[in-house]
Amino acid sequence: AQSVTQPDIHITVSEGASLELRCNYSYGATPYLFWYVQSPGQGLQLLLKYFSGDTLVQGIKGFEAEFKRSQSSFNLRKPSVHWSDAAEYFCAVGARTGTASKLTFGTGTRLQVTL
Amino acid sequence: EAGVTQSPTHLIKTRGQQATLRCSPISGHTSVYWYQQALGLGLQFLLWYDEGEERNRGNFPPRFSGRQFPNYSSELNVNALELEDSALYLCATHAWGNRETQYFGPGTRLLVL
Repeated sequence: AQSVTQPDIHITVSEGASLELRCNYSYGATPYLFWYVQSPGQGLQLLLKYFSGDTLVQGIKGFEAEFKRSQSSFNLRKPSVHWSDAAEYFCAVGARTGTASKLTFGTGTRLQVTL
Repeated sequence: EAGVTQSPTHLIKTRGQQATLRCSPISGHTSVYWYQQALGLGLQFLLWYDEGEERNRGNFPPRFSGRQFPNYSSELNVNALELEDSALYLCATHAWGNRETQYFGPGTRLLVL
């Protein structure tokens, strides 16, 4: 069964500083990988996804993530954080087998941005 | 293009009652997923509907059920509500030819008193 670990429950960064959110996954084959963002009281917005090919993927809002098979990681990065980036971030892995497409989510990392 | 919509936005019920939550997918999306986001438990997969059929369900009791209508909208029913059912219920949909990418609605916040 697939699983996702986000080791950081809460991260605080200053506006303008760089950001890296960690994500490790467990899956028997090459997974589909996603990062979603959730603002307070809102649903989830897709930031970026990895299916295959280039291991560095670009997303919306200036985010990028790098798939590292050897480390089973898919860390999210942003070179300069804006106050509006404060939210909860979820890493997710999707199954590739058959028609099953349910997502397994990590427990999330809450990002606080100080001015 | 309209996104995934869910109704109601908030729902307050008492223990033992039934709750009905609704989801309308993005136009052209045929699959609907339901997730529960309970405090301290993260996002848990509940149910998956495709072409009107239940295709998969997560580790939830049978009192969580639903259906998908011919227009691909979906309903989640929770019977015999318990306090721990209080959560944000999120619906996600994807297109038939793009099943890997799910798009989420804003959720229904259910409070059981």
